[in-house]
Amino acid sequence: ELKVEQNPLFLSMQEGKNYTIYCNYSTTSDRLYWYRQDPGKSLESLFVLLSNGAVKQEGRLMASLDTKARLSTLHITAAVHDLSATYFCAVDMRRGGSEKLVFGKGTKLTVNP
Amino acid sequence: DAMVIQNPRYQVTQFGKPVTLSCSQTLNHNVMYWYQQKSSQAPKLLFHYYDKDFNNEADTPDNFQSRRPNTSFCFLDIRSPGLGDAAMYLCATSRGLARGSREQFFGPGTRLTVL
Repeated sequence: ELKVEQNPLFLSMQEGKNYTIYCNYSTTSDRLYWYRQDPGKSLESLFVLLSNGAVKQEGRLMASLDTKARLSTLHITAAVHDLSATYFCAVDMRRGGSEKLVFGKGTKLTVNP
Repeated sequence: DAMVIQNPRYQVTQFGKPVTLSCSQTLNHNVMYWYQQKSSQAPKLLFHYYDKDFNNEADTPDNFQSRRPNTSFCFLDIRSPGLGDAAMYLCATSRGLARGSREQFFGPGTRLTVL
């Protein structure tokens, strides 16, 4: 059974600081997603990582994937208050003709002024 | 714009009173998923349809049922809601592996309250 572990689960940062969220998973997968969720809202897709060594950047967020280590990271550069949200990683587990996403527990990020 | 629509956005029901949540899509995707997300938890897959084929997760309670009358619509029926079923219910769609992209597109969710 695929297990996805995120850490930390809670992260309080000062504006302007850098930090990394880690996502480990237990079995082979070739696809990993990062989502953002604001309170009471649905999931917003941030990144889709498709291969070993993939790196994607959008604004102050950068995600990477190491399939050999079964590890993805979401790096936050010079945090701003607007980044406060819960971030989920999700790993694709193929099931026949469709996929099943297994989510980590999420990292609740609070950026303080 | 092509999208995933969920109705209603907020649903209040009484303990034991059946409730139906609706999801529709204009993406013409083959696969439709239902997730349950309880407060401060990760989304958990309940079941999904690949075209007309229904795929139930092993740990989804019998209280939860689904219908997909056509490509565009999928319903989640909760036969006898309990207090523990209060959650956000998320619908998602994807093309399916046979058609290339497996990325899931999420609707805005329905927040269910059980009194």
